[in-house]
Amino acid sequence: GESVGLHLPTLSVQEGDNSIINCAYSNSASDYFIWYKQESGKGPQFIIDIRSNMDKRQGQRVTVLLNKTVKHLSLQIAATQPGDSAVYFCAENRGYSTLTFGKGTMLLVSP
Amino acid sequence: EAQVTQNPRYLITVTGKKLTVTCSQNMNHEYMSWYRQDPGLGLRQIYYSMNVEVTDKGDVPEGYKVSRKEKRNFPLILESPSPNQTSLYFCASSLQGRRELFFGEGSRLTVL
Repeated sequence: GESVGLHLPTLSVQEGDNSIINCAYSNSASDYFIWYKQESGKGPQFIIDIRSNMDKRQGQRVTVLLNKTVKHLSLQIAATQPGDSAVYFCAENRGYSTLTFGKGTMLLVSP
Repeated sequence: EAQVTQNPRYLITVTGKKLTVTCSQNMNHEYMSWYRQDPGLGLRQIYYSMNVEVTDKGDVPEGYKVSRKEKRNFPLILESPSPNQTSLYFCASSLQGRRELFFGEGSRLTVL
């Protein structure tokens, strides 16, 4: 819901721009990472994942980059659309189906 | 339609009045989990279940109970709710061996 967005870092972009959302993770032993999208009033929805033995993975309009050296993850969204406006969470795996979620970043796309 | 269904979606209650938030999934998933979401704190895991009759504590289990008598259902029980349990709650499920979680729509609980 809308209260989820309070206290979050916010990225504001124009429609058609490329967006980059960053995430720092904490556990160097994490072997799997996921990006989730949460629209207002809804539950988080899976976007894309990446295993720790990869540096990059591409989906439809989205790319995830993993830099294990500095424990950094990024989500790139190409040609951002108003429908991409949401809160984006990275999550790292610390055991079977047990994910630790980041605090989230709010993406605002203006037409 | 494959989904995770939570009820109620919204609830206002008073301190000490026991309540249950139900969660049901129709995807035959072995794994189910409860999270709470609070501003500035993100999603924190309360309890999870690897399969029927197997449950385990997450990061913030205090004040909550769960049960997993059937594969499809994973209710969250607040025996004596307190105002600090005011939050947005999400149930999630996944297939065994897969780490992609499917989330419900959320249950917003207010404890006065």
